Amino acid sequence: ETGVTQTPRHLVMGMTNKKSLKCEQHLGHNAMYWYKQSAKKPLELMFVYNFKEQTENNSVPSRFSPECPNSSHLFLHLHTLQPEDSALYLCASSQGDRAQETQYFGPGTRLLVL
Amino acid sequence: GQQVMQIPQYQHVQEGEDFTTYCNSSTTLSNIQWYKQRPGGHPVFLIQLVKSGEVKKQKRLTFQFGEAKKNSSLHITATQTTDVGTYFCAGTPTGNQFYFGTGTSLTVIP
Repeated sequence: ETGVTQTPRHLVMGMTNKKSLKCEQHLGHNAMYWYKQSAKKPLELMFVYNFKEQTENNSVPSRFSPECPNSSHLFLHLHTLQPEDSALYLCASSQGDRAQETQYFGPGTRLLVL
Repeated sequence: GQQVMQIPQYQHVQEGEDFTTYCNSSTTLSNIQWYKQRPGGHPVFLIQLVKSGEVKKQKRLTFQFGEAKKNSSLHITATQTTDVGTYFCAGTPTGNQFYFGTGTSLTVIP
């Protein structure tokens, strides 16, 4: 257990569905991240939040919409996804968003888009 | 754009053999971190290197940061089945967020 939880752990959705991924950290950290991990590709950083403010958006399509209501919770709202969006979505947190911070990852949500 | 490459992509070793994965960047890195991801699991932080030429050890694992701070390596001595997983480096170009490497998947044959 790293102190970062994600729900659901598995999700199957159609391309017209709307769903949300949830991440919660119990570590008192201020920064939270969403990553996408596809087969045979490096971890792709999607979004970074520090003190609830988005500090990074790595050209992610608008069908992915993050929300960070407080420093402990992070959501990823999904809408009209494509089959190529199927992947493991990992949430992580760190004390701050400086590059030297250690990131603690959640177990991930394995998403399948049909 | 910035890329952090790792080689090899896959490595199969007999239990007891040594294993090394290499991480290379086209630009100088302010620091480098190493993570391990077990099959079906999530990345777990192993170590961070900051200084040029730095070497750190964790039991059978030896981590090295190159003199030019553009490359790093992870060496495992006498692998065990518990070492199975994918090893990622993550490097930070000065002032930027860090980028994960492509990973090296290690299989240990009993």
